[in-house]
Amino acid sequence: GQNIDQPTEMTATEGAIVQINCTYQTSGFNGLFWYQQHAGEAPTFLSYNVLDGLEEKGRFSSFLSRSKGYSYLLLKELQMKDSASYLCAVRDRDYKLSFGAGTTVTVRA
Amino acid sequence: NAGVTQTPKFRILKIGQSMTLQCTQDMNHNYMYWYRQDPGMGLKLIYYSVGAGITDKGEVPNGYNVSRSTTEDFPLRLELAAPSQTSVYFCASSLGTEPGEQYFGPGTRLTVT
Repeated sequence: GQNIDQPTEMTATEGAIVQINCTYQTSGFNGLFWYQQHAGEAPTFLSYNVLDGLEEKGRFSSFLSRSKGYSYLLLKELQMKDSASYLCAVRDRDYKLSFGAGTTVTVRA
Repeated sequence: NAGVTQTPKFRILKIGQSMTLQCTQDMNHNYMYWYRQDPGMGLKLIYYSVGAGITDKGEVPNGYNVSRSTTEDFPLRLELAAPSQTSVYFCASSLGTEPGEQYFGPGTRLTVT
């Protein structure tokens, strides 16, 4: 199984940068995903890491260290529409995902 | 492409009633999943399927059943509904190739009273 930890809440100002950390303990690691979920909506895919290092995708970047069981999602140039819950999920070798409880990010003007 | 569709969007059940949550995807994905999401909690996997005719239990399967007779459809059956099954249910699908991200349906909000 997987144990996945991420902070419950974070608040940041419009235009700023926020880093959401995720630590995990896993059996059979096969990739780490970040999803965004707006209130009352379905999760949508943001990023994927399977090798160590940084993946950049526009304003969003995600980092993975497999030896440390650690990932972070970096959100740059925050916009009001980035207010949402961010879910860290670890995939096992059966292609099943285990999700953290999510980090609610509030962007203030 | 409609993606992943779920019906109904909302439902209220009385304790002991049964119902089926429908899920259909038109992306020809082999893998399909059912999750439940409770307030303040992460998504918990109920059942999943790697292809038509194959299903397997996830983390929280008790009180639920599934079938996968076609690639497109993956219905979730609740028998003898209980208040503990009040939740938001999401269906998802993915390809079995990298990166294999999951695409989620809009969810079904179920209340059991």
